[in-house]
Amino acid sequence: KAGVTQTPRYLIKTRGQQVTLSCSPISGHRSVSWYQQTPGQGLQFLFEYFSETQRNKGNFPGRFSGRQFSNSRSEMNVSTLELGDSALYLCASTPQGSNSGNTIYFGEGSWLTVV
Amino acid sequence: DAKTTQPPSMDCAEGRAANLPCNHSTISGNEYVYWYRQIHSQGPQYIIHGLKNNETNEMASLIITEDRKSSTLILPHATLRDTAVYYCIVRAKAAGNKLTFGGGTRVLVKP
Repeated sequence: KAGVTQTPRYLIKTRGQQVTLSCSPISGHRSVSWYQQTPGQGLQFLFEYFSETQRNKGNFPGRFSGRQFSNSRSEMNVSTLELGDSALYLCASTPQGSNSGNTIYFGEGSWLTVV
Repeated sequence: DAKTTQPPSMDCAEGRAANLPCNHSTISGNEYVYWYRQIHSQGPQYIIHGLKNNETNEMASLIITEDRKSSTLILPHATLRDTAVYYCIVRAKAAGNKLTFGGGTRVLVKP
């Protein structure tokens, strides 16, 4: 069974640009979450999608957005990029619902560098 | 989510058992304890989780105290590839699928 797949793995963008990152969850998983990891702030929750609806949201500005498609694949978008948005962006998936006994699996992440 | 406290770092000898402690004194009855690890530049890797009973899988064992206020992750025979940051997370049902990561324990396995 394939794991959580994220693309692209590495990318470089310029300040002011926007970026879209993609995530394919494990087959059969319907919940997709996104996290940002920086050296200063550690791993922080961005948002979660389930059945194409945002179900939970972290404390990030509106420049950070996401969506989920009917096949459970998800994208996140960051607009008007700032230098501080340079980070590892991680996607995670879990089967369904919000049962805290369901294991959450992470992808390898997308490394974004903003110059 | 209940807060967890882990030592910031620890060393372990290759081939020996690594015992990673975690305090979660404010844990509630329906909150699970999860362990993940992150090897440099990779995504967090799920290790094990438990509610009340001790758990064991092919990677590790999880020992949860009877009062559930602390737990220990045991890597039975540490290898150099176990060098990573280990995160202990208490996952509340109300938080859904949101995980709150702390600073973790940076484990260095030495030959």
